[in-house]
Amino acid sequence: EVQLVESGGGLVQPGGSLRLSCEASGFTFSNYWMTWVRQAPGKGLEWVANINQDGSDKDYVDSVKGRFSISRDNAKSSVYLQMNSLRVEDTAVFYCARVEWTTPGFFLYFDLWGRGTLVTVSS
Amino acid sequence: SYVLTQPPSVSVAPGQTARMTCGGDNDEYKSVHWYQQKPGQAPVLVVYDDSDRPSGIPERFSGSNSGNTATLTISRVEAGDEADYYCQVWDTSSDHVVFGGGTKLTVL
Repeated sequence: EVQLVESGGGLVQPGGSLRLSCEASGFTFSNYWMTWVRQAPGKGLEWVANINQDGSDKDYVDSVKGRFSISRDNAKSSVYLQMNSLRVEDTAVFYCARVEWTTPGFFLYFDLWGRGTLVTVSS
Repeated sequence: SYVLTQPPSVSVAPGQTARMTCGGDNDEYKSVHWYQQKPGQAPVLVVYDDSDRPSGIPERFSGSNSGNTATLTISRVEAGDEADYYCQVWDTSSDHVVFGGGTKLTVL
């Protein structure tokens, strides 16, 4: 079955760290860019970070630059999000998703999503 | 940064047609993609590249994109279509992904 499964969420104090994992199955993981998207309680979707197939190209939303780091291990079919210096406003459900590209034009979209993992930042 | 504007809510009776818009803040063409999210669930792609449907998405879901406004149209609306709908683009000038604020579709 083609799926993504996130893990690693939980309760953390402000200023703390957490590492999220997303394990893929059912497709050739190393062929795809991957992404993390978050959703604060009662709010909309917010893109967090992208990573290309070999991990050499990464992009982040401005609000997490310098605090979050996306990485991947193709041998384990997994993508990670290391989150440091966490703030109360980082509280959200974090989804990983698979990236696809339109042809022609090469515009990015997300065709497969995990069920998400909840991160709560609170003292 | 690029902004996508969606109306907060749209209401429609069962069997009618729902139209949800997504406005960009400039006239530069960007391919638009749409996601459906039901309460407590992950988003699901329902339209990509303005008007294409992934396999398994009913033909009742269609999209269009003209000028700086994209539209998601759901024909013959059913109770099960009640959800939040988000549009999304890839801003090539910043290599950032942008989501609209979402539209809550209510089936009366």
